[in-house]
Amino acid sequence: EVQLVQSGAEVKKPGESLKISCKTSSYNFVEYWIGWVRQVPGKGLEWVGIIFPGDSETRYSPSFQGQVTISVDKSISTAFLQWNSLRASDTATYYCAKHRMPYNELSSLDYWGQGTPVTVSS
Amino acid sequence: EKVMTQSPATLSVSPGERVTLSCRASHSIYRNLAWYQQKPGQAPRLLISGASTRATAVPARFSGSGFGTEFSLTIDSLQSDDIAVYYCHQYSDWPGTFGQGTKLEI
Repeated sequence: EVQLVQSGAEVKKPGESLKISCKTSSYNFVEYWIGWVRQVPGKGLEWVGIIFPGDSETRYSPSFQGQVTISVDKSISTAFLQWNSLRASDTATYYCAKHRMPYNELSSLDYWGQGTPVTVSS
Repeated sequence: EKVMTQSPATLSVSPGERVTLSCRASHSIYRNLAWYQQKPGQAPRLLISGASTRATAVPARFSGSGFGTEFSLTIDSLQSDDIAVYYCHQYSDWPGTFGQGTKLEI
């Protein structure tokens, strides 16, 4: 069974750095784009960015370009989302999600992680 | 960026009823549309991709239709377990965009 298991909830102060993870299993990690979706409390879904683990090609939503870094470690089938300097406006739940179609950067999302709540507050 | 508009924002429903949710795209997205169900405290779940193809293990009471800019998700004989927020998602280009969601209420 395909699984995406995310790291636990985080509470940080503005200006701090953070790296959250999404460990995958039971599918060929390097063949499917995987991405991060943000959900502000009580609000809808928005793309942060996606990465193709096969070659680490990355796409960022314009709102997040330069604000975060998406990476992977193929040896442990894990994707990461990283901030160098958090802001209060980064407070949200972040989901990782796997593309349904192999090799296709445009696809629906068939498996999701359980979400990582991130709270940024002084 | 293509804008996805869902209607209504909230819908009062009753068990057994047939429910139709709408999603409109600002530009043609052909059939590159997915529907997701999200219950409180849970991750979204894929219901429909390619506008009309049910995902694995999705009950047959869920069906999707549409092409271009107008799409709908229909739930036949609504069950109490279907109470959730439903999102449409266009993936015709990057970044894909989500609708703002339709919340079903009893």
